[in-house]
Amino acid sequence: NAGVMQNPRHLVRRRGQEARLRCSPMKGHSHVYWYRQLPEEGLKFMVYLQKENIIDESGMPKERFSAEFPKEGPSILRIQQVVRGDSAAYFCASSSGRQETQYFGPGTRLLVL
Amino acid sequence: AQSVTQPDIHITVSEGASLELRCNYSYGATPYLFWYVQSPGQGLQLLLKYFSGDTLVQGIKGFEAEFKRSQSSFNLRKPSVHWSDAAEYFCAVVLTGNTGKLIFGQGTTLQVKP
Repeated sequence: NAGVMQNPRHLVRRRGQEARLRCSPMKGHSHVYWYRQLPEEGLKFMVYLQKENIIDESGMPKERFSAEFPKEGPSILRIQQVVRGDSAAYFCASSSGRQETQYFGPGTRLLVL
Repeated sequence: AQSVTQPDIHITVSEGASLELRCNYSYGATPYLFWYVQSPGQGLQLLLKYFSGDTLVQGIKGFEAEFKRSQSSFNLRKPSVHWSDAAEYFCAVVLTGNTGKLIFGQGTTLQVKP
């Protein structure tokens, strides 16, 4: 039973480009959470999605960031017009329910040049 | 302010010594409580969790944690540390009745001396 998968594992972008991060939850999980880990900081919640719905986006920056979790396919975290401050590790976690245990993927390390 | 606090940023212990990592939370109601471990360049692995019931929780890799309501604490312990335990440890909470998002402490980096 595969765990949570994220790709790419590493992503390099130049300022102004777009970054797309993908997350495939564990089999049977329909709840996805995205977290960001800035250098030398802990993890901060960004957004919580269920299939086709954004449930809680209270941690998402107001501009340039968006997330989706379509009926088919992985969840996508999209960052438009990246800036150096977006450089971080982005982790996805999935669970079988709203307050069930979350299992994390290996993360995507984004570097903005 | 509501928060999760891990007072120790770095801890160094000798291999074979005992370990205790501290975690305190400041929320009105008792949240769900978790400890995760992160090795360099890796994702987070769940060590153990507390939802309710017995306040002493056993986890993987020989770790345990004790929930103390009176102290709003959920400290992680291991009786004998192995070199492979060197990693970063995160305490996290989920507020009951909330959307389930994890609120993390700042993390404690554990170094193990041979």
